[in-house]
This record gives sequence, C-alpha cells and structure tokens, in this order.
Amino acid sequence: QLQLQESGPGLVKPSETLSLTCTVSGGSISSSSYYWAWIRQPPGKGLEWIGSIYYSGSTFNNPSLKSRVTISVDTSRNQFSLKLSPVTAADTAVYYCARSRLSVHMTPSHEGDWGQGTLVTVSS
Amino acid sequence: QSVLTQPPSVSAAPGQKVTISCSGSSSNIGNNYVSWYQQLPGTAPKLLIYDNNHRPSGIPDRFSASKSGTSATLGITGLQTGDEADYYCGTWDSSLSAGVFGGGTKLTVL
Repeated sequence: QLQLQESGPGLVKPSETLSLTCTVSGGSISSSSYYWAWIRQPPGKGLEWIGSIYYSGSTFNNPSLKSRVTISVDTSRNQFSLKLSPVTAADTAVYYCARSRLSVHMTPSHEGDWGQGTLVTVSS
Repeated sequence: QSVLTQPPSVSAAPGQKVTISCSGSSSNIGNNYVSWYQQLPGTAPKLLIYDNNHRPSGIPDRFSASKSGTSATLGITGLQTGDEADYYCGTWDSSLSAGVFGGGTKLTVL
C-alpha cells in the first residue's frame, strides 16, 4: 500500500522560504508510470495545483507560482521536495503531496494517492 | 477564480440523486481527461473518478461521471449522509501546462 507523508516546518516567516518534503513508502518514486505532485488548500478554500515532478527531474509548475516554486526529487531517499520563496500570508495553507498517474500525453493526470497534508502558516 | 467552474453548493434528500457540473474550455476539459475528488471534512481529497468516467477499486457504483465537450458532470445516486463532503473536478490544462481544479462544490444531504 503506497503511503505519502509530508514533513517540514509548520510556521514560516513572511519573505522566507517554505520547505517541505514528501517521503514515499510502499512504492518506488522511480516508477516510469507516475508524476509526483504538490497541491495546497488555503483554510476554507479550494484546491490549488502547485506542480509535479517526474523521477527524471522533469517538472511542470503552476504559472501563477512558477517563479517562486522549486520542486526536486531524491530517488535515493524516495523523496521529493517543495520550496516556495518568498512567502506571504497568502501562502498559508494545508500542503498535500500526491502521486499522479502519467497520461498518454506524457503529462501528469489524476492524483490517485494523497498524503494526509500538513498545515503551513506564514506569520511573523 | 478557478479555471474550472463548479456550483458552490448542491443539496438533496437521502436516497435521492444529485449532479454536480464542472465547466471548462477546449484547453482543459475539451481535450483532456477529467477526474473527480471527494473531500470529507478534515481529510485529504480522495479520487472518485478518473479518465472521465472510471471508478477506482472500492468506489461504489452510486458514483458516476460523464463528459461532453468542455463540461463534465458527476452524479451520485442513493444519497447517504456520509456523502456530505466537498467535491472537486480536476484536469490538465494544455495551454497552461498545469493541472487545474474547480472551486469545489459542497454537497449537503438534507
């Protein structure tokens, strides 16, 4: 059974860097059939797709966040990570990592497996 | 504003049927597969439907979906109080080269 677990600081100061890691267990991050995604949800609001990474390091990012987002993968540790910088209060959200099926167009498709999510608050 | 448009809320009585719409454009729904997610209060989203109308194992056939042109619809029959949740549609947007979600629809089972 695949499991994804987010980890990282729950509180980040404005203008600093939000850093989260997703540890994958029960499956290999190096599978050729999947992308690995970050999705967030501000309190009381809807889902926002942040970006996805393939095991090779190929990424897709949300254009609205693109210049602030870095997603990386560490296949040796079966982990992938998110960095968002600089942050503001608007980045306060529950951050989810998820596994996305690879589509026939070689882009991320549906997210079939999700982590439990971690709340990150941006505040001084 | 979300790229995909969903009604903010829908409601129906137990045992009845409800539909939730998701409207997009040719760059997203019109040319890509649609998925649907259920988010129960305080939990992570759960995949309900993928590739327009396929259910993952374990999802009851009370949940169904369809796609026509640039719109998609989720249907739930035999409503139960346990179906009260937020429902999201999602797809790939070929112009943005990014995943997109609808704003979510809150289902109330009266």
